[in-house]
Amino acid sequence: KAGVTQTPRYLIKTRGQQVTLSCSPISGHRSVSWYQQTPGQGLQFLFEYFSETQRNKGNFPGRFSGRQFSNSRSEMNVSTLELGDSALYLCASSTPGGPSEQFFGPGTRLTVL
Amino acid sequence: AQSVTQLDSHVSVSEGTPVLLRCNYSSSYSPSLFWYVQHPNKGLQLLLKYTSAATLVKGINGFEAEFKKSETSFHLTKPSAHMSDAAEYFCVVRANTGTASKLTFGTGTRLQVTL
Repeated sequence: KAGVTQTPRYLIKTRGQQVTLSCSPISGHRSVSWYQQTPGQGLQFLFEYFSETQRNKGNFPGRFSGRQFSNSRSEMNVSTLELGDSALYLCASSTPGGPSEQFFGPGTRLTVL
Repeated sequence: AQSVTQLDSHVSVSEGTPVLLRCNYSSSYSPSLFWYVQHPNKGLQLLLKYTSAATLVKGINGFEAEFKKSETSFHLTKPSAHMSDAAEYFCVVRANTGTASKLTFGTGTRLQVTL
């Protein structure tokens, strides 16, 4: 069974631009979560989607948004990029509900210049 | 509210010696607890999980952890370290409320294994 895939793996943008990251969950998984990893703040939860609906959100500004499609694939968008948005963005998928584990993708490394 | 505290940011052991990575948790609800490992430039891999069944949990690659409610701890151990264990380890808590799956990560412990 294929794992979680994220595209692109690396991205370089400049301040003020916007960016869209993509995540394809494991087949059959309907829940997708996004996390930001930085050296200073560690791993922080961004949001979670299930059945095309956001059902949990972390403490990030409105510049960070996401969506999920009917095939469970998810996208994350960051508008008006700032230098501090440089990070590894990780996507995780899981079966919904219960104490199920989350399976992580390799991440997208975003660098904002 | 839930949180985890990893008591050591960096641990160094010799190959063949035991590993102990410490984690304390705080949760308003009955928690699920996980340990994940991250090798350089890689994603996160689940080592083991506690979900209110047996308090001693065995994971992959010889790792295990013991859930101690009285001490609010979930320390990760391995009897004998291997060079390939060098990585960053994260203790993670998830509150079992509803169907939300938000994970709260500790700050990580970097494990160094020397010859």
